[in-house]
Amino acid sequence: EVQLVESGGGLVQPGRSLRLSCAASGFTFDDYAMHWVRQAPGKGLEWVSGISWNSGSIGYADSVKGRFTISRDNAKNSLYLQMNSLRAEDTALYYCAKDRGTMIVTPFHWGQGTLVTVSS
Amino acid sequence: DIQMTQSPSSLSASVGDRVTITCQASQDISNYLNWYQQKPGKAPKLLIYDASNLETGVPSRFSGSGSGTDFTFTISSLQPEDIATYYCQQYDNLPGPTFGGGTKVEIK
Repeated sequence: EVQLVESGGGLVQPGRSLRLSCAASGFTFDDYAMHWVRQAPGKGLEWVSGISWNSGSIGYADSVKGRFTISRDNAKNSLYLQMNSLRAEDTALYYCAKDRGTMIVTPFHWGQGTLVTVSS
Repeated sequence: DIQMTQSPSSLSASVGDRVTITCQASQDISNYLNWYQQKPGKAPKLLIYDASNLETGVPSRFSGSGSGTDFTFTISSLQPEDIATYYCQQYDNLPGPTFGGGTKVEIK
């Protein structure tokens, strides 16, 4: 069974940094691209970033480009999101999601999320 | 970026009713469309992929159709456990997928 467990969320001041992690199990991690998707409180879903199986292809939403960095460690079955220069509008539940294949196409299976609150 | 327009934004129906949600893409996305169900406090769950394929384990009362720019999601007989918000999502366009605004389904 696919399991994705996010961690690293919390309360952070505007302008500061936070690093999210996602621990994957139940599938061969390095066979799949991975994604981060977020949902602001009471709002819809927004794709944030994706990374291919070997980190050779990476994409970002315009709203986070230049501030967020996605990475993965296939030896540790882990996905990361380094978030710098955080803004109030980055407040959201951040989901880690597994793609259906090796390249960045679409989230298919999702974790339960970790909450990031940006506030002074 | 491709915009996904989903309607209605909310609906109320009786148990046993047929429920239909539509999603329109701002440009041709072939059949690169998913439908998700999100219950309160839970992560989204994939129901339909490639516009019309039922994900494993999903009840057959859920179905999807369409291609190009116009798509439809149907619950053939609404059940109490189907109360949720439903999202369409396209994956035809780089850098990444985009979602519709969601449809909140309630029981009348």
